[in-house]
Amino acid sequence: DIQMTQFPSSLSASVGDRVTLTCRASRTFGGYLNWYQHKPGKAPKLLIYSASSLQAGVPSRFSGSGSGTDFTLTISNLQPEDFATYYCQQSYFIPYTFGQGTRLEIK
Amino acid sequence: EVQLVESGGTLVQPGKSLRLSCAGSGLSIQSFWMTWVRQAPGKGLEWVANINPDGSEENYLDSVKGRFTMSRDNAKNSLYLDMNNLRAEDTAVYYCARQAVSVRGINWFDPWGQGTLVTVSS
Repeated sequence: DIQMTQFPSSLSASVGDRVTLTCRASRTFGGYLNWYQHKPGKAPKLLIYSASSLQAGVPSRFSGSGSGTDFTLTISNLQPEDFATYYCQQSYFIPYTFGQGTRLEIK
Repeated sequence: EVQLVESGGTLVQPGKSLRLSCAGSGLSIQSFWMTWVRQAPGKGLEWVANINPDGSEENYLDSVKGRFTMSRDNAKNSLYLDMNNLRAEDTAVYYCARQAVSVRGINWFDPWGQGTLVTVSS
């Protein structure tokens, strides 16, 4: 199975900040990398698919990049509603696997 | 409103069985792969299983293979997960999601339901 490792596991930031979350895979799999936002009690929400494609309706302050084994999610100009847990996921090999998540908290 | 709605989660004893359902509302699932993902208490997301549009192909996480069976009824716009011989480690919120696939074969999960809680305990 492909192991996905996210870091940091948690991050404190302020409204208006720019943050970068990192996801590293145990092996390469092309660009089959997605990012999701998850808030407690809510449905997870797709933000980025195929490493860098912004899902319709997602604000442009979210961006994704990367290739090979290293991927990043950048959130510019943090807004109050962005404080949540973020997961990366590879969708190339079954079983599809997620990172352990990065919890983004308000400083 | 476009949504997936899960149901069927409850408290169940170890070794028992349970069926989860997922219904599409305002969206059709019949042309899409569908997937189940779970989140154990205090843990991250874990993919469980998926099924192709006509129900002829399924894939499972090794730890549930032989115990869980995914099925669908496209006429009812619904998806099911039959869980047998449940274990304490199956305790989780179970989410269904539509699996979109691009022409290049890239796939992602969108939208997701809000989940249904399964608790396996004596």
